[in-house]
Amino acid sequence: DGGITQSPKYLFRKEGQNVTLSCEQNLNHDAMYWYRQDPGQGLRLIYYSQIVNDFQKGDIAEGYSVSREKKESFPLTVTSAQKNPTAFYLCASSIVWQGAGNTEAFFGQGTRLTVV
Amino acid sequence: GQQLNQSPQSMFIQEGEDVSMNCTSSSIFNTWLWYKQDPGEGPVLLIALYKAGELTSNGRLTAQFGITRKDSFLNISASIPSDVGIYFCAGQRYGNKLVFGAGTILRVKS
Repeated sequence: DGGITQSPKYLFRKEGQNVTLSCEQNLNHDAMYWYRQDPGQGLRLIYYSQIVNDFQKGDIAEGYSVSREKKESFPLTVTSAQKNPTAFYLCASSIVWQGAGNTEAFFGQGTRLTVV
Repeated sequence: GQQLNQSPQSMFIQEGEDVSMNCTSSSIFNTWLWYKQDPGEGPVLLIALYKAGELTSNGRLTAQFGITRKDSFLNISASIPSDVGIYFCAGQRYGNKLVFGAGTILRVKS
């Protein structure tokens, strides 16, 4: 089945540790995104990538890092520099719309990160 | 960056009521998407719109792509308890990244 997979579903981190969240898609999408969501809030863009080996900062990139070595994969590292990392993290993918075809974005199931 | 204004921010529904929400932008979009998110889950695509003026339904949900291409509307008819959740709009322009609204939280009146 085609889709986008995030793992793990729940993650606990000690203060001062880096942690990496996984996001894999087999939809052949060029674009991938990472969002942060706080309780009862909307989505805030952390990073996005429209092509392999290239990515752009979103609105709240500080304390996060990403890589895009393969089209299918866009891991997010939450570093110790992120002061308030406890949140729900969502990964999404879509085509890069060039005027034809659909441009629907699909989301993973999310990873809930808790700092203990 | 591009901004989408989604309203209302939250609303309470009574079973059987019709619900409306909308998204507006200062920029023109070529695509409008509407998503619903249940607690603890990722958003799920409800409706995709690709043409100005387009009106598309998915069961009790109807969405419209505004004529100006700067807005979109979502209506839910005869709401039921499982309609509660967060609804997001998203817009995309040619070759650009998706932009999401802040979401409309739908709650049930007690």
